[in-house]
Amino acid sequence: DVKVTQSSRYLVKRTGEKVFLECVQDMDHENMFWYRQDPGLGLRLIYFSYDVKMKEKGDIPEGYSVSREKKERFSLILESASTNQTSMYLCASRGDAELQPQHFGDGTRLSIL
Amino acid sequence: DAKTTQPNSMESNEEEPVHLPCNHSTISGTDYIHWYRQLPSQGPEYVIHGLTSNVNNRMASLAIAEDRKSSTLILHRATLRDAAVYYCIRPPNDYKLSFGAGTTVTVRA
Repeated sequence: DVKVTQSSRYLVKRTGEKVFLECVQDMDHENMFWYRQDPGLGLRLIYFSYDVKMKEKGDIPEGYSVSREKKERFSLILESASTNQTSMYLCASRGDAELQPQHFGDGTRLSIL
Repeated sequence: DAKTTQPNSMESNEEEPVHLPCNHSTISGTDYIHWYRQLPSQGPEYVIHGLTSNVNNRMASLAIAEDRKSSTLILHRATLRDAAVYYCIRPPNDYKLSFGAGTTVTVRA
Protein backbone atom coordinates (compact mmCIF):
# COMPACT_ATOMS: atom_id res chain seq x y z
CA ASP A 1 0.00 0.00 0.00
CA VAL A 2 1.05 3.55 -0.70
CA LYS A 3 2.15 5.42 2.37
CA VAL A 4 2.05 9.20 2.57
CA THR A 5 3.44 10.42 5.87
CA GLN A 6 3.04 13.92 7.22
CA SER A 7 5.50 14.90 9.88
CA SER A 8 3.02 16.18 12.47
CA ARG A 9 -0.65 15.48 13.21
CA TYR A 10 -1.04 18.62 15.32
CA LEU A 11 1.02 21.79 15.34
CA VAL A 12 0.65 25.08 17.17
CA LYS A 13 2.65 28.10 16.06
CA ARG A 14 2.60 31.85 16.62
CA THR A 15 1.81 34.63 14.20
CA GLY A 16 4.83 35.65 12.18
CA GLU A 17 6.72 32.39 12.61
CA LYS A 18 8.10 30.50 9.63
CA VAL A 19 6.41 27.10 9.57
CA PHE A 20 7.54 23.97 7.76
CA LEU A 21 5.18 21.09 7.00
CA GLU A 22 6.87 17.97 5.72
CA CYS A 23 5.46 15.16 3.59
CA VAL A 24 7.10 11.93 2.48
CA GLN A 25 5.75 9.26 0.13
CA ASP A 26 7.18 5.80 -0.39
CA MET A 27 5.84 4.86 -3.83
CA ASP A 28 8.21 6.77 -6.11
CA HIS A 29 5.32 8.95 -7.31
CA GLU A 30 6.12 11.81 -9.63
CA ASN A 31 3.29 14.08 -8.53
CA MET A 32 2.80 15.55 -5.09
CA PHE A 33 0.21 18.01 -3.83
CA TRP A 34 -0.50 20.25 -0.84
CA TYR A 35 -4.11 21.07 0.02
CA ARG A 36 -5.86 22.79 2.86
CA GLN A 37 -9.29 21.76 4.08
CA ASP A 38 -11.62 24.14 5.87
CA PRO A 39 -15.23 23.72 7.00
CA GLY A 40 -17.60 25.08 4.39
CA LEU A 41 -14.81 25.56 1.84
CA GLY A 42 -13.92 21.96 1.11
CA LEU A 43 -10.51 20.94 -0.18
CA ARG A 44 -8.41 23.58 -1.94
CA LEU A 45 -5.10 23.12 -3.76
CA ILE A 46 -2.18 25.25 -2.57
CA TYR A 47 0.74 23.97 -4.65
CA PHE A 48 1.69 20.88 -6.56
CA SER A 49 4.83 19.39 -8.03
CA TYR A 50 5.16 17.01 -10.95
CA ASP A 51 8.87 16.37 -10.63
CA VAL A 52 11.87 17.11 -8.46
CA LYS A 53 12.58 20.84 -8.23
CA MET A 54 9.39 21.57 -10.20
CA LYS A 55 6.43 23.33 -8.67
CA GLU A 56 3.23 24.97 -9.80
CA LYS A 57 0.76 27.18 -8.02
CA GLY A 58 -2.63 25.86 -7.17
CA ASP A 59 -5.74 27.87 -6.40
CA ILE A 60 -4.58 29.54 -3.17
CA PRO A 61 -0.75 29.88 -3.16
CA GLU A 62 -0.56 33.28 -1.44
CA GLY A 63 1.41 33.14 1.79
CA TYR A 64 2.90 29.74 1.00
CA SER A 65 5.91 28.32 -0.75
CA VAL A 66 7.07 24.76 -1.41
CA SER A 67 10.24 22.80 -1.85
CA ARG A 68 10.88 19.50 -3.61
CA GLU A 69 14.57 18.63 -3.50
CA LYS A 70 14.00 14.87 -3.52
CA LYS A 71 11.34 12.85 -5.27
CA GLU A 72 9.88 11.41 -2.10
CA ARG A 73 9.65 14.63 -0.10
CA PHE A 74 7.48 17.70 -0.59
CA SER A 75 7.60 20.51 1.94
CA LEU A 76 5.09 23.30 2.47
CA ILE A 77 6.40 26.52 3.97
CA LEU A 78 4.38 29.27 5.58
CA GLU A 79 6.74 32.21 5.22
CA SER A 80 5.16 34.31 7.99
CA ALA A 81 2.27 32.50 9.61
CA SER A 82 -1.00 34.32 10.05
CA THR A 83 -4.16 33.36 11.92
CA ASN A 84 -6.08 32.83 8.67
CA GLN A 85 -3.71 29.99 7.89
CA THR A 86 -5.12 27.95 10.74
CA SER A 87 -6.40 24.89 8.94
CA MET A 88 -6.08 21.19 8.19
CA TYR A 89 -3.24 20.64 5.70
CA LEU A 90 -3.25 17.54 3.54
CA CYS A 91 -0.45 16.18 1.41
CA ALA A 92 -1.08 13.76 -1.46
CA SER A 93 0.89 11.91 -4.08
CA ARG A 94 0.03 10.30 -7.37
CA GLY A 95 1.75 8.29 -10.05
CA ASP A 96 1.85 9.41 -13.67
CA ALA A 97 -0.19 6.58 -15.18
CA GLU A 98 -3.64 7.53 -16.42
CA LEU A 99 -6.46 7.38 -13.85
CA GLN A 100 -4.13 6.86 -10.92
CA PRO A 101 -5.85 8.01 -7.74
CA GLN A 102 -4.32 10.42 -5.29
CA HIS A 103 -3.09 9.01 -2.00
CA PHE A 104 -3.41 11.31 0.97
CA GLY A 105 -1.64 11.59 4.27
CA ASP A 106 -3.59 11.87 7.51
CA GLY A 107 -3.20 15.63 7.63
CA THR A 108 -1.63 18.21 9.91
CA ARG A 109 -4.00 20.30 11.95
CA LEU A 110 -2.18 23.61 12.24
CA SER A 111 -3.21 26.33 14.66
CA ILE A 112 -1.71 29.80 14.40
CA LEU A 113 -2.11 31.83 17.58
CA ASP B 1 -18.16 23.01 -15.12
CA ALA B 2 -17.05 19.94 -13.22
CA LYS B 3 -19.74 20.23 -10.56
CA THR B 4 -21.32 17.21 -8.91
CA THR B 5 -24.26 17.26 -6.53
CA GLN B 6 -24.66 14.97 -3.53
CA PRO B 7 -27.04 14.86 -0.57
CA ASN B 8 -25.60 16.35 2.59
CA SER B 9 -26.16 13.28 4.74
CA MET B 10 -27.43 9.72 4.85
CA GLU B 11 -28.04 7.26 7.64
CA SER B 12 -27.90 3.51 7.61
CA ASN B 13 -28.07 0.58 9.98
CA GLU B 14 -25.12 -1.71 10.39
CA GLU B 15 -25.06 -4.67 7.99
CA GLU B 16 -27.50 -2.95 5.61
CA PRO B 17 -26.62 -1.61 2.15
CA VAL B 18 -26.01 2.08 1.59
CA HIS B 19 -26.73 3.73 -1.74
CA LEU B 20 -25.05 7.11 -2.19
CA PRO B 21 -26.31 9.12 -5.17
CA CYS B 22 -24.36 11.65 -7.19
CA ASN B 23 -25.65 13.88 -9.97
CA HIS B 24 -23.29 15.05 -12.68
CA SER B 25 -25.63 16.25 -15.41
CA THR B 26 -22.94 18.24 -17.30
CA ILE B 27 -20.52 15.35 -17.59
CA SER B 28 -18.70 14.95 -20.89
CA GLY B 29 -18.17 11.70 -22.72
CA THR B 30 -14.62 11.21 -21.47
CA ASP B 31 -15.03 12.30 -17.84
CA TYR B 32 -14.52 9.62 -15.26
CA ILE B 33 -16.37 9.60 -11.96
CA HIS B 34 -14.20 9.08 -8.90
CA TRP B 35 -15.25 8.49 -5.31
CA TYR B 36 -13.17 9.23 -2.26
CA ARG B 37 -14.09 9.01 1.38
CA GLN B 38 -12.70 10.65 4.49
CA LEU B 39 -12.95 8.95 7.84
CA PRO B 40 -12.88 11.09 10.98
CA SER B 41 -9.42 12.51 11.70
CA GLN B 42 -7.93 10.99 8.55
CA GLY B 43 -7.05 12.14 5.06
CA PRO B 44 -9.26 11.25 2.11
CA GLU B 45 -8.87 7.80 0.61
CA TYR B 46 -9.70 6.62 -2.88
CA VAL B 47 -12.71 4.30 -3.13
CA ILE B 48 -13.51 3.59 -6.77
CA HIS B 49 -13.83 5.12 -10.22
CA GLY B 50 -15.73 4.40 -13.44
CA LEU B 51 -16.64 5.71 -16.89
CA THR B 52 -19.66 3.93 -18.32
CA SER B 53 -20.15 0.45 -16.99
CA ASN B 54 -20.64 -0.63 -13.42
CA VAL B 55 -17.52 -1.27 -11.40
CA ASN B 56 -16.80 -3.37 -8.34
CA ASN B 57 -13.87 -3.57 -5.97
CA ARG B 58 -13.26 -4.76 -2.43
CA MET B 59 -14.59 -1.56 -0.93
CA ALA B 60 -17.71 -0.77 -2.95
CA SER B 61 -19.62 -0.91 -6.22
CA LEU B 62 -20.26 1.96 -8.58
CA ALA B 63 -23.39 1.98 -10.71
CA ILE B 64 -23.38 4.54 -13.51
CA ALA B 65 -26.61 5.53 -15.23
CA GLU B 66 -26.90 4.81 -18.93
CA ASP B 67 -26.99 8.54 -19.77
CA ARG B 68 -24.04 9.09 -17.36
CA LYS B 69 -25.77 12.03 -15.72
CA SER B 70 -25.81 10.28 -12.37
CA SER B 71 -24.13 7.49 -10.48
CA THR B 72 -24.55 5.60 -7.22
CA LEU B 73 -21.90 4.35 -4.86
CA ILE B 74 -23.05 1.16 -3.14
CA LEU B 75 -21.68 -0.08 0.16
CA HIS B 76 -23.11 -3.57 0.28
CA ARG B 77 -23.05 -4.14 4.03
CA ALA B 78 -22.32 -1.04 6.03
CA THR B 79 -20.11 -1.32 9.08
CA LEU B 80 -19.34 1.25 11.73
CA ARG B 81 -16.00 1.76 10.03
CA ASP B 82 -17.81 3.02 6.92
CA ALA B 83 -19.00 6.13 8.76
CA ALA B 84 -17.29 8.89 6.80
CA VAL B 85 -17.77 11.75 4.37
CA TYR B 86 -18.04 10.45 0.80
CA TYR B 87 -17.03 12.62 -2.12
CA CYS B 88 -18.09 12.17 -5.73
CA ILE B 89 -15.83 14.09 -8.11
CA ARG B 90 -14.92 14.48 -11.75
CA PRO B 91 -11.15 14.94 -11.68
CA PRO B 92 -9.82 17.40 -14.24
CA ASN B 93 -7.11 16.27 -16.66
CA ASP B 94 -4.41 17.82 -14.52
CA TYR B 95 -5.81 15.98 -11.51
CA LYS B 96 -5.87 19.03 -9.30
CA LEU B 97 -8.66 17.85 -7.06
CA SER B 98 -11.23 19.86 -5.21
CA PHE B 99 -13.85 18.43 -2.89
CA GLY B 100 -17.13 20.00 -1.92
CA ALA B 101 -19.13 19.10 1.17
CA GLY B 102 -19.76 15.47 0.17
CA THR B 103 -22.26 13.15 1.85
CA THR B 104 -21.83 12.42 5.54
CA VAL B 105 -22.73 8.80 6.18
CA THR B 106 -23.80 7.77 9.66
CA VAL B 107 -24.01 4.07 10.50
CA ARG B 108 -26.16 3.00 13.44
CA ALA B 109 -25.16 -0.07 15.40
